Amino acid sequence: NAGVTQTPKFRILKIGQSMTLQCTQDMNHNYMYWYRQDPGMGLKLIYYSVGAGITDKGEVPNGYNVSRSTTEDFPLRLELAAPSQTSVYFCASSSPTDGYTFGSGTRLTVV
Amino acid sequence: DQQVKQNSPSLSVQEGRISILNCDYTNSMFDYFLWYKKYPAEGPTFLISISSIKDKNEDGRFTVFLNKSAKHLSLHIVPSQPGDSAVYFCAASLSGGSNYKLTFGKGTLLTVNP
Repeated sequence: NAGVTQTPKFRILKIGQSMTLQCTQDMNHNYMYWYRQDPGMGLKLIYYSVGAGITDKGEVPNGYNVSRSTTEDFPLRLELAAPSQTSVYFCASSSPTDGYTFGSGTRLTVV
Repeated sequence: DQQVKQNSPSLSVQEGRISILNCDYTNSMFDYFLWYKKYPAEGPTFLISISSIKDKNEDGRFTVFLNKSAKHLSLHIVPSQPGDSAVYFCAASLSGGSNYKLTFGKGTLLTVNP
């Protein structure tokens, strides 16, 4: 049982480049989330989804986009990378009975 | 405006003693509270939770206390073990325990010294 799988684990981007952070879960959870954690800060919600085809903005959505074409996958897209997007990104899924399961994170540096 | 506050960035405790981690919240609509533990280079993992209809929940060495009037909760770890050394996040939800859209505090780094 893999849980929540995030790829890549590390990435360095140049300013203005774009990339997609991948997230897949195998628990059939309807709810999925993207959080970012800046140094010394808590996790802040970027985007979330309550099911396939449905996404909504969280607390810090600017500069990001998401899609949810299947229950399993919830990719996060950065279109024009900026230094302010240097952070650790966590994908998570949840259900009322299972609670939250987090991926191991993607450490992104924008230079 | 930070709705969930963990005002102690770090805490150091001797092995075998009690660790008390504190958390305050400002939104009185929060009705479900959780504690997560995070090791370096890993995602947070669920530790213990409490519904707003309770004031205490125990799970082995971990106990969470909730004081709704003070909008305060605390996590007690007794006895503390070196393997408990990690960052602990307090989180709150508006969703009645459905584990949906959590608001996190900044975390407290607990170090348990042998």
